[in-house]
Amino acid sequence: QLPLQESGPGLVKPSETLSLTCTVSGGYINSRSYYWGWIRHPPGKGLEWIGNIYYSGITYYNPSLKSRVTISVDSSKNQFSLKLSSVTAADTAVYYCARPISTPTTNWYFDLWGRGTLVTVSS
Amino acid sequence: DIQMTQSPSSLSASVGDRVTITCRASQSISGYLNWYQHIPGKAPKLLIFTASSLQSGVPSRFSGSGSGTDFTLTISGLQPEDFATYYCQQSDSGPPTFGGGTRVDIK
Repeated sequence: QLPLQESGPGLVKPSETLSLTCTVSGGYINSRSYYWGWIRHPPGKGLEWIGNIYYSGITYYNPSLKSRVTISVDSSKNQFSLKLSSVTAADTAVYYCARPISTPTTNWYFDLWGRGTLVTVSS
Repeated sequence: DIQMTQSPSSLSASVGDRVTITCRASQSISGYLNWYQHIPGKAPKLLIFTASSLQSGVPSRFSGSGSGTDFTLTISGLQPEDFATYYCQQSDSGPPTFGGGTRVDIK
């Protein structure tokens, strides 16, 4: 059983909303020690941080995506989710869920990752 | 956003070689630099955090150094399982940003 496992549709139509879920094994999604986050890797481009959520529900988003992103936690299911609205072909990417570790600079590195899931935006 | 530039973008090496990968930040990030390994089909793996701290479970042949804008990941004695793509990431300020990656393949 993988510690983090992404799931969701592999194909989304342009202008629709991309929805992904990450299941956390071990039942510690409510831990005050941890944030949870999403990162993506478009083909031929670099890795891009999407956003993080703290167990309390406080969210942090990349300003470049903030207007279209919602990250939420469902502790009853040990899951957290990503919604990205109004998608275009530029949102085609491998999407990773990850566990961010906070730094003294109120920033993060990522000590645990899922294997990633490819989402293609196409009609 | 802070831009991260890795070099080289790819390299070929043999088992047992010493490999060095460089990461440069567009502004000073103190020591807030992290390194990851990614093998296709697997989850990316944290190797080094805050420039030189080895993540638990990572072999000691991996080491990191640097501060300010220039950082280095060194693999001392490349092993078959080390052929992968390596990424740096800054965790100093603004949105976390990543380097473009360095692919290490077999010579």
